[in-house]
Amino acid sequence: GEDVEQSLFLSVREGDSSVINCTYTDSSSTYLYWYKQEPGAGLQLLTYIFSNMDMKQDQRLTVLLNKKDKHLSLRIADTQTGDSAIYFCAAPTSGTYKYIFGTGTRLKVLA
Amino acid sequence: DAGVIQSPRHEVTEMGQEVTLRCKPISGHDYLFWYRQTMMRGLELLIYFNNNVPIDDSGMPEDRFSAKMPNASFSTLKIQPSEPRDSAVYFCASSSLVLDRVYGYTFGSGTRLTVV
Repeated sequence: GEDVEQSLFLSVREGDSSVINCTYTDSSSTYLYWYKQEPGAGLQLLTYIFSNMDMKQDQRLTVLLNKKDKHLSLRIADTQTGDSAIYFCAAPTSGTYKYIFGTGTRLKVLA
Repeated sequence: DAGVIQSPRHEVTEMGQEVTLRCKPISGHDYLFWYRQTMMRGLELLIYFNNNVPIDDSGMPEDRFSAKMPNASFSTLKIQPSEPRDSAVYFCASSSLVLDRVYGYTFGSGTRLTVV
């Protein structure tokens, strides 16, 4: 089945860029997602990328997809303290509508 | 739309008691998911439904857990009897296969369950 892995923690200074990485195993994933979880809240969809794209930019967010290496990354430009949260990548399991979520990366932004 | 609504937000119960968590999905969504989040195990999919029918319950930890979806606007997750190791945040999420590629899953705010 699908397996999605992320590093657990990332700490950056306010104004710097953050890069959160994710690897997945199922090469048939058509869409890949990034979700954000703020303290005490559910997950919210942040952005997504279709598997035939290499890059997607959305304001301060840039998603890079390397299909060959099954590697997904989320770059947050000019990181703000409000970006402190847990970030999850998610990929669907082949042949199903079931997403597997990564372990989540806890981003801490230092003022 | 008010989003996915879960109740209660917090539940504290004694070991051995029955616990029922409730979820109202977004109107028009045909998929409903129950997840459990803990520090140790992260986010685990327990069960999901399509058009009110359970499709995959392989993530349900044991027979103490059961889930139902009697209609398109309501689902329950029941734990009987509850144990301290069931303490976690339980999330409900809903989605539409047609819309999902853009909107993904919509999560509720979760129910924080503490079993003492």
